Amino acid sequence: EDQVTQSPEALRLQEGESSSLNCSYTVSGLRGLFWYRQDPGKGPEFLFTLYSAGEEKEKERLKATLTKKESFLHITAPKPEDSATYLCAVQAVSGGGADGLTFGKGTHLIIQP
Amino acid sequence: GAVVSQHPSWVICKSGTSVKIECRSLDFQATTMFWYRQFPKQSLMLMATSNEGSKATYEQGVEKDKFLINHASLTLSTLTVTSAHPEDSSFYICSARDRGGKRGVINEQFFGPGTRLTVL
Repeated sequence: EDQVTQSPEALRLQEGESSSLNCSYTVSGLRGLFWYRQDPGKGPEFLFTLYSAGEEKEKERLKATLTKKESFLHITAPKPEDSATYLCAVQAVSGGGADGLTFGKGTHLIIQP
Repeated sequence: GAVVSQHPSWVICKSGTSVKIECRSLDFQATTMFWYRQFPKQSLMLMATSNEGSKATYEQGVEKDKFLINHASLTLSTLTVTSAHPEDSSFYICSARDRGGKRGVINEQFFGPGTRLTVL
């Protein structure tokens, strides 16, 4: 069974204080690892897709990295508007064509001014 | 970017009634749409995969007769919660995958804004 574990569950940072969010996963075969941002009462907003170990992607203050066991979402000099829940999800290799995502519970990030 | 809408954004109904939720891809065609459910402070849980023109594939533990899915066109999928009960109260979110992607290449799933269902 595919599993995704995110840590920490919650993180409070001061504005400008860089940190990293962790996503550990176990999957029979990884097709892709996804990072999403979710604001309260909203649907997830796509951030990144990573396909293979060693891959990195960046977008503004966010950088996602991937190893064979985990992914990190690094946030550099965050601003209050970066406050949100960050979700990690995996898509497993599936011969049946079912491509739904398995999500972690998310990290609730609060950036204080 | 690809836009997915859901309607309604929230609904309150009495126990025993049925509720229909629509999911539309606004600027792309989606061969496959997915329905998720999210309880407070929990992760999104995949309920079913909806393929245009064919029957939906349900995840283990999801009652197909209770959660009816119809994917009648490349831009519309509907989820009907039949005989809703208070335990069905949740945040229902759909996602859609762009049909235009290359075969064998993972296409990002674009999520709708969600529908908050409250069953009294």
